[in-house]
Amino acid sequence: NAGVMQNPRHLVRRRGQEARLRCSPMKGHSHVYWYRQLPEEGLKFMVYLQKENIIDESGMPKERFSAEFPKEGPSILRIQQVVRGDSAAYFCASSPPGTGSGNTIYFGEGSWLTVV
Amino acid sequence: QKEVEQNSGPLSVPEGAIASLNCTYSDRGSQSFFWYRQYSGKSPELIMFIYSNGDKEDGRFTAQLNKASQYVSLLIRDSQPSDSATYLCAATAGGTSYGKLTFGQGTILTVHP
Repeated sequence: NAGVMQNPRHLVRRRGQEARLRCSPMKGHSHVYWYRQLPEEGLKFMVYLQKENIIDESGMPKERFSAEFPKEGPSILRIQQVVRGDSAAYFCASSPPGTGSGNTIYFGEGSWLTVV
Repeated sequence: QKEVEQNSGPLSVPEGAIASLNCTYSDRGSQSFFWYRQYSGKSPELIMFIYSNGDKEDGRFTAQLNKASQYVSLLIRDSQPSDSATYLCAATAGGTSYGKLTFGQGTILTVHP
């Protein structure tokens, strides 16, 4: 999982600010997933992206959250006007093209967001 | 709401014993099942995946799947203190062909010397 790079690893934001989390998938991977782990809760799927396309965003909160995976550069998870309830660990995962089952998904080290 | 449920734990076993972790899932469309280990403050690390009924063994770990009962388990033989972690069970979402996983809440395992 060391191949999926996330930054920043730790981020502190005041309420109302914006948080941007970045994820570079493993080399050769074109599928990116974002998961969120709230304190004392399990991992929850947020969004699945391929280059320049959002494939499944069924787990994304309806407001303030957005994700992109541009043709060039990392995938970005953006949280606008953060609130304390957004404090969580955000994990990015990636998988190679042409695969379906999750056994080829690799997780990054995570980005820990703290909203004060 | 499709769910994955794990035995709540925490589970404590002595070093050298067998640790048994259990998981049930509600989505009959789930095809693949996974066990991840997560140390505090770290990311999930894949231990095993299984998609056929029966047992799958890898070293000290054995995953068992019973689709009729919608039940998945993980056995850890010769448990070591380094196995102490939270174990997450996950299932692929039915109707999807990609890595959309539904995770259980996790079971905390402590292996004491």
